[in-house]
Amino acid sequence: GDSVTQMEGPVTLSEEAFLTINCTYTATGYPSLFWYVQYPGEGLQLLLKATKADDKGSNKGFEATYRKETTSFHLEKGSVQVSDSAVYFCALSSNAGGTSYGKLTFGQGTILTVHP
Amino acid sequence: DGGITQSPKYLFRKEGQNVTLSCEQNLNHDAMYWYRQDPGQGLRLIYYSQIVNDFQKGDIAEGYSVSREKKESFPLTVTSAQKNPTAFYLCASSIEGAKHIQYFGAGTRLSVL
Repeated sequence: GDSVTQMEGPVTLSEEAFLTINCTYTATGYPSLFWYVQYPGEGLQLLLKATKADDKGSNKGFEATYRKETTSFHLEKGSVQVSDSAVYFCALSSNAGGTSYGKLTFGQGTILTVHP
Repeated sequence: DGGITQSPKYLFRKEGQNVTLSCEQNLNHDAMYWYRQDPGQGLRLIYYSQIVNDFQKGDIAEGYSVSREKKESFPLTVTSAQKNPTAFYLCASSIEGAKHIQYFGAGTRLSVL
């Protein structure tokens, strides 16, 4: 079945540091890939997405490129801020088996803490 | 403001008790979902509903029940059959044309007394 694996956390950085959170996936067919973010005390919000190989999703300074050859969708940001402290989830959506109800398979989440 | 409202924020369950978590949306979305979030794990799908009066089991439906009598509402009942109910529960919704882009509520944290 489908699965998503994220790098182990937590990740602690100083403000303005470079961020990478690794994400690899296993899926049949051609999945769409997502990064969701969960700020403290809130639900998840879609951060960015990519629907086909070599697509780059971007939002709020974050980027991720859909790499089919390495089955990866790593999240990057050049200069993090304290306000980026949150839990980040990688997720995929696959149409394998004809599922069309919006099934998302999530990774375990990576906690990011940014210090001033 | 449009969005998804979950209540209560915190809930405690006694042994053998059923409890119901509320989820209301005013986004006019057709599809709604319930997820369970455990520490160190991703979200797991409990139930989903694509339309009023219809719902389907997700990956971990045992010990849970839902109803979808109104488009706006998708309550989740955690029954006494769910032996490990302590978790963070998230409700989400999506539109017909973009079901994989889901909008989440702020969640309900359920604990067992």
